[in-house]
Amino acid sequence: SYELTQPLSVSVALGQTARITCGGNNIGSKNVHWYQQKPGQAPVLVIYRDSNRPSGIPERFSGSNSGNTATLTISRAQAGDEADYYCQVWDSSTAVFGGGTKLTVL
Amino acid sequence: EVQLVESGGGLVQPGGSLRLSCAASGFTFSSYSMNWVRQAPGKGLEWVSYISSSSSTIYYADSVKGRFTISRDNAKNSLYLQMNSLRDEDTAVYYCARSWAVNGDYDYWGQGTLVTVSS
Repeated sequence: SYELTQPLSVSVALGQTARITCGGNNIGSKNVHWYQQKPGQAPVLVIYRDSNRPSGIPERFSGSNSGNTATLTISRAQAGDEADYYCQVWDSSTAVFGGGTKLTVL
Repeated sequence: EVQLVESGGGLVQPGGSLRLSCAASGFTFSSYSMNWVRQAPGKGLEWVSYISSSSSTIYYADSVKGRFTISRDNAKNSLYLQMNSLRDEDTAVYYCARSWAVNGDYDYWGQGTLVTVSS
């Protein structure tokens, strides 16, 4: 079965740039979606199809996908960006989520 | 405004059954695929099942195949998950989520309903 690998945690200084990776075999050939989840809340879509932002998501959120790694980039990180982030793809009739990354803004 | 509201969660004994519902509003329900995604306490997201807009295509995660059944009633704007032979490891918050297609993103989520399997 297909697996997605994310770092357990990422820290970023306030106002700096955070990068959260999502590794998978030839993930560059798949559509990658990213979700933000804050404690006690439902997930929210922040990036779809590798690099597209839904309406209402700040331009500070961007995504890329190539080779074996997809990346979610959060520029000018704010305290409100502290959350868990999950990548997700579809493979062989199954939706697959990464294990999630806890973003801490210092 | 798009709204998805889950219901039907609760405490059930191992081996028992439960039926979850997801009431949709604010969009043309019959035009969208729907999904169930769950999250065990303190754990990550796990996809459970997918159903196409017309119910013609259905997929399940291996962990629930043969025990769970997804269905929908487009006339009632509702999505369902019938859960049988429940196990301790099925304990989780269950979310319904909307998608355009089978490999699409989940652009709207409900607030979730908690299922606890315990004796």
